[in-house]
Amino acid sequence: GQQLNQSPQSMFIQEGEDVSMNCTSSSIFNTWLWYKQDPGEGPVLLIALYKAGELTSNGRLTAQFGITRKDSFLNISASIPSDVGIYFCAGRMNRDDKIIFGKGTRLHILP
Amino acid sequence: NAGVMQNPRHLVRRRGQEARLRCSPMKGHSHVYWYRQLPEEGLKFMVYLQKENIIDESGMPKERFSAEFPKEGPSILRIQQVVRGDSAAYFCASSRSRDSPLHFGNGTRLTVT
Repeated sequence: GQQLNQSPQSMFIQEGEDVSMNCTSSSIFNTWLWYKQDPGEGPVLLIALYKAGELTSNGRLTAQFGITRKDSFLNISASIPSDVGIYFCAGRMNRDDKIIFGKGTRLHILP
Repeated sequence: NAGVMQNPRHLVRRRGQEARLRCSPMKGHSHVYWYRQLPEEGLKFMVYLQKENIIDESGMPKERFSAEFPKEGPSILRIQQVVRGDSAAYFCASSRSRDSPLHFGNGTRLTVT
């Protein structure tokens, strides 16, 4: 079935470092979404991407829709403690309206 | 502007009982989605509904699970004769249209004892 491969699975970084994570698929997507989930809460939408090559920023977050339409990445610059959480990529394919999710990247900030 | 509201936040059921999970979408949203999440896992699609219609239920088990989104009132995910394996967090999301991003509620955590 359709699958999104998200990496890395976990990241341990120092406060102030930049972070990069990505999502790939063997299938073409027409929408890529990035969400963040805090413990005990639902995912919150960070960035939505609709066109191949699109680069979109939301504060310190930047995401890109890959040219091949089979991948996307999310960058976080100058990480701060509240960036801790699980980041999920999600995508919607052309011929299918459901949105599927990757397994998440767990971001930890070392004290 | 209230977000997606799910209740209850926590639900404990004994094996064999029924679980009813409710979801009120954001104002102006007529598309509702249900996802299931196990600990340390991503979200697994279950069902997509638009007012009074099931659009895609490809992720929902054929037995014991059902979903509805009536003309009036919240969407309901119903699990009959629950088993321990049904224990999970169930998230509802809504969108304004088929192409819009999903906005999630804070989930219902179901524990089957």
